[in-house]
Amino acid sequence: AQKVTQAQTEISVVEKEDVTLDCVYETRDTTYYLFWYKQPPSGELVFLIRRNSFDEQNEISGRYSWNFQKSTSSFNFTITASQVVDSAVYFCALSRYISGGYNKLIFGAGTRLAVHP
Amino acid sequence: DVKVTQSSRYLVKRTGEKVFLECVQDMDHENMFWYRQDPGLGLRLIYFSYDVKMKEKGDIPEGYSVSREKKERFSLILESASTNQTSMYLCASSSGSSGNTIYFGEGSWLTVV
Repeated sequence: AQKVTQAQTEISVVEKEDVTLDCVYETRDTTYYLFWYKQPPSGELVFLIRRNSFDEQNEISGRYSWNFQKSTSSFNFTITASQVVDSAVYFCALSRYISGGYNKLIFGAGTRLAVHP
Repeated sequence: DVKVTQSSRYLVKRTGEKVFLECVQDMDHENMFWYRQDPGLGLRLIYFSYDVKMKEKGDIPEGYSVSREKKERFSLILESASTNQTSMYLCASSSGSSGNTIYFGEGSWLTVV
């Protein structure tokens, strides 16, 4: 069975702190994709990153960075020097690779991040 | 930029009413999805479609149906709304290949009273 676990329900930090959001996944597939989405109060899910199972390189995009470790089935997300605008619910998701077919996302329950001034 | 547009942001409906949630995407995507989001449960897939007039049940299809008459449009139908269908509904789309990014609309907040 496929599953995504985000154990942190809510995190509260003060602006400029670094914060890491954890994501642990379960799958028996050898080919799969992992995603992070941000959901601000407006409701729309904003795509942040996609990583395939064969690419374990960490990625940095501005203040955001992602650490993908297949050995621990984790795909953690770090925000450096957090800002109030980072306040949102963040979702980790797993997509199964089906040759020539559709993709279906399995979401974690989400982590609500509150960044205070 | 990919644009997924949901026609209604906020709806209040009465129990037993038939409810239509409309979704349009402008990127010629083959796949379209309807998710439901509830606190503590994350997003759960209701139905998806990988082609015009094609549909597949997701994880929680009971009480819902869908329609895809045109490639760009995917409708979610609540035949007889019930209070336990009060939720946030999110439409999404993606191109055909597995692993491609799924893009979401802004969501529709439905309250059934």
